[in-house]
Amino acid sequence: DAMVIQNPRYQVTQFGKPVTLSCSQTLNHNVMYWYQQKSSQAPKLLFHYYDKDFNNEADTPDNFQSRRPNTSFCFLDIRSPGLGDAAMYLCATSRAYQPQHFGDGTRLSIL
Amino acid sequence: GQQLNQSPQSMFIQEGEDVSMNCTSSSIFNTWLWYKQEPGEGPVLLIALYKAGELTSNGRLTAQFGITRKDSFLNISASIPSDVGIYFCAGQETSGSRLTFGEGTQLTVNP
Repeated sequence: DAMVIQNPRYQVTQFGKPVTLSCSQTLNHNVMYWYQQKSSQAPKLLFHYYDKDFNNEADTPDNFQSRRPNTSFCFLDIRSPGLGDAAMYLCATSRAYQPQHFGDGTRLSIL
Repeated sequence: GQQLNQSPQSMFIQEGEDVSMNCTSSSIFNTWLWYKQEPGEGPVLLIALYKAGELTSNGRLTAQFGITRKDSFLNISASIPSDVGIYFCAGQETSGSRLTFGEGTQLTVNP
């Protein structure tokens, strides 16, 4: 009974070809987060939604965008992936001020 | 910005041994969290600590929230091979839901 579901688990795209990663949740949490994680490093927050309010981290590249059409779903769009964007992308959810719960991630490879 | 110093970076132990890892910060956190991440999966929440001085157990795991609110430790007793993974501490700010992660402790358990 997975509660934060990320699709696909593995994604391969070409250099410069837009890609979208998806996240859905069954927890009815009002906060959703997107993280980038590179090998053996801690997750790095890209942005988060507090309800419908979008909060971008200052150092998140413009190449990364997000959409949250409803409470349950959130998308990460990478407009023109570069080789440096190859990473694990993690989605997490929480109620305000409560611990975050993570999905199993999407591993993105760039050819 | 806030930083968490997590140590040790890696540990190689024999099955049955006890393990201890800790995190320190220059800033106060409202909540301390401990996550475990296995290869190819997302971080899984192990323990959440909400009050300074709080000592909480979850099976063979015990964690404490430091009195100063600037540190936390995690102990694993009688380690088993499935304890292998990367353990991350994370501090949650008083002002919101954002987490600051430690660098992680890579645990290897030899049978």
